[in-house]
Amino acid sequence: ETGVTQSPTHLIKTRGQQVTLRCSSQSGHNTVSWYQQALGQGPQFIFQYYREEENGRGNFPPRFSGLQFPNYSSELNVNALELDDSALYLCASSHRVTYGYTFGSGTRLTVV
Amino acid sequence: DAKTTQPNSMESNEEEPVHLPCNHSTISGTDYIHWYRQLPSQGPEYVIHGLTSNVNNRMASLAIAEDRKSSTLILHRATLRDAAVYYCILRAQGGSEKLVFGKGTKLTVNP
Repeated sequence: ETGVTQSPTHLIKTRGQQVTLRCSSQSGHNTVSWYQQALGQGPQFIFQYYREEENGRGNFPPRFSGLQFPNYSSELNVNALELDDSALYLCASSHRVTYGYTFGSGTRLTVV
Repeated sequence: DAKTTQPNSMESNEEEPVHLPCNHSTISGTDYIHWYRQLPSQGPEYVIHGLTSNVNNRMASLAIAEDRKSSTLILHRATLRDAAVYYCILRAQGGSEKLVFGKGTKLTVNP
């Protein structure tokens, strides 16, 4: 059991649409990060939230946005979907004082 | 972000030891060496991390070169369940919390 749950597991959207991906972190994990993983590549950092505030962002456009809630859940929102947004989206959480991240199994997004 | 270099793929036989190398010649004094692995259809999983001394845990051992420019993840007895992509990552102490993944090493374990 990973302790981090993501939903949905798979999703198909049409170009131009908007999507919301959800993540439920382990209790006490006040840091959550989102990653995008294209096929055959390593995960790429999108952004991180700490205590409900954005705390770092990778090289992704503003149409990628997020929220973190007090109950350790979080969301990744992507507007105006493009075909290249098709990927595995991973959520990872940690407690600030520890070194290891716990990842979810991801949401496979396909944009057609 | 400090960079690591790993072989694209490695192969091992079941129940034999596996040594996965990682080069990080530009490592700074405050960078920790982290290893994650990603099994098929799953998210990455934390394996081990270290700074200067060799480290052991229930999953693996981490051997760090004296000059810290390279390290080796050691799986003492490979099982079929160890087949995964293994990522070596440098993470600065007190720096950005993000993980910078390369392409990793795809480990195949033969029965």
